[in-house]
Amino acid sequence: EPEVTQTPSHQVTQMGQEVILRCVPISNHLYFYWYRQILGQKVEFLVSFYNNEISEKSEIFDDQFSVERPDGSNFTLKIRSTKLEDSAMYFCASNYFIQETQYFGPGTRLLVL
Amino acid sequence: QQQVKQSPQSLIVQKGGISIINCAYENTAFDYFPWYQQFPGKGPALLIAIRPDVSEKKEGRFTISFNKSAKQFSLHIMDSQPGDSATYFCAASTPSGSRLTFGEGTQLTVNP
Repeated sequence: EPEVTQTPSHQVTQMGQEVILRCVPISNHLYFYWYRQILGQKVEFLVSFYNNEISEKSEIFDDQFSVERPDGSNFTLKIRSTKLEDSAMYFCASNYFIQETQYFGPGTRLLVL
Repeated sequence: QQQVKQSPQSLIVQKGGISIINCAYENTAFDYFPWYQQFPGKGPALLIAIRPDVSEKKEGRFTISFNKSAKQFSLHIMDSQPGDSATYFCAASTPSGSRLTFGEGTQLTVNP
């Protein structure tokens, strides 16, 4: 069964450093998403991406964040200068069409020290 | 207005019992209501979803009840099993929007 994959599974970084989180969505999907989940809290939407551009973003997704689909398979989330409060689990998701099931990856746990 | 409120925060039931989790929303533009199940260390996985043109949807032991006028929907897990122990999130989205707005989550524990 196709699945969304994410790398790395864990990342530890120093405050102020740049991090890139990587995702490989399900191959025929067209819509891609990033969510985050701070420990013990709800899942929060960050951004959606379709046709090589951002289709929607939340107030969390400020200028420190960017997304890219550098090739036909990868989808990345870059945090330019990490803050302590960026520590969270980051989930990538994808689907073929809006309001169809979003399939989530296993997540990347980011710890900013 | 974009929020989805979920209760209870935690729930303990005995094996074979019924687990009920409730959600409420304000945004009347929401028209897609999925429930996600999350095990520790894993991403959320879709359990069941409903649209407001029906009041109930059942898949196996899982049922969503939807009350459009009250802007509430709930998940019922019949014959709850220890393997159902997980965190459950309700969510909602609008027809034109791509984002899922999640509730706060319910940690369900089913005792053997």
